[in-house]
Amino acid sequence: DGGITQSPKYLFRKEGQNVTLSCEQNLNHDAMYWYRQDPGQGLRLIYYSQIVNDFQKGDIAEGYSVSREKKESFPLTVTSAQKNPTAFYLCASSQPGGVGTGELFFGEGSRLTVL
Amino acid sequence: QQQVKQSPQSLIVQKGGISIINCAYENTAFDYFPWYQQFPGKGPALLIAIRPDVSEKKEGRFTISFNKSAKQFSLHIMDSQPGDSATYFCAARIGTGGFKTIFGAGTRLFVKA
Repeated sequence: DGGITQSPKYLFRKEGQNVTLSCEQNLNHDAMYWYRQDPGQGLRLIYYSQIVNDFQKGDIAEGYSVSREKKESFPLTVTSAQKNPTAFYLCASSQPGGVGTGELFFGEGSRLTVL
Repeated sequence: QQQVKQSPQSLIVQKGGISIINCAYENTAFDYFPWYQQFPGKGPALLIAIRPDVSEKKEGRFTISFNKSAKQFSLHIMDSQPGDSATYFCAARIGTGGFKTIFGAGTRLFVKA
């Protein structure tokens, strides 16, 4: 099946620890994205990448880092600098096309809880 | 200017009724306006989308109405069913400089049987 695979589904972290969330896609999409979801705030963009070895900050990049060494992989590291990391994290991919296109395909999310 | 404002925050509708969710935007650079549906514990999935050169798009019981001059668009769910109970997000994509998609805050819909 083609799709987005995120792992782990649930993750607990102690304060001061870095954690890395995995995101893999087999849709052959060029673009990948990380969103954070908090109750009542919708989805906020953390980082996105249009091609391998290139990525841009989204609206809430502070305290996060990413890499894009392979087309199918876009891991997100939540660092100890992120002040409020407890959230539901969603990875997505898309194949940017022309005007009026751009469906995002989402994984099932990773729920991070800081103890 | 990149915000997408969505209302209401929550909505309760009787089975068979019409659910209406509204969104507004400011940035005229947006070129694609999708709606996503999310069930608890799952990632969002595309429900229906519209381009700004179209005023209405219908797919089954779901219709997007788009008012370019007012910078507003809305989702109508006809004959709402309990299975439609989910969170709905409107969104807007910037077509230049990186294809970012900006989401509204979401609407939690509950359809009473």
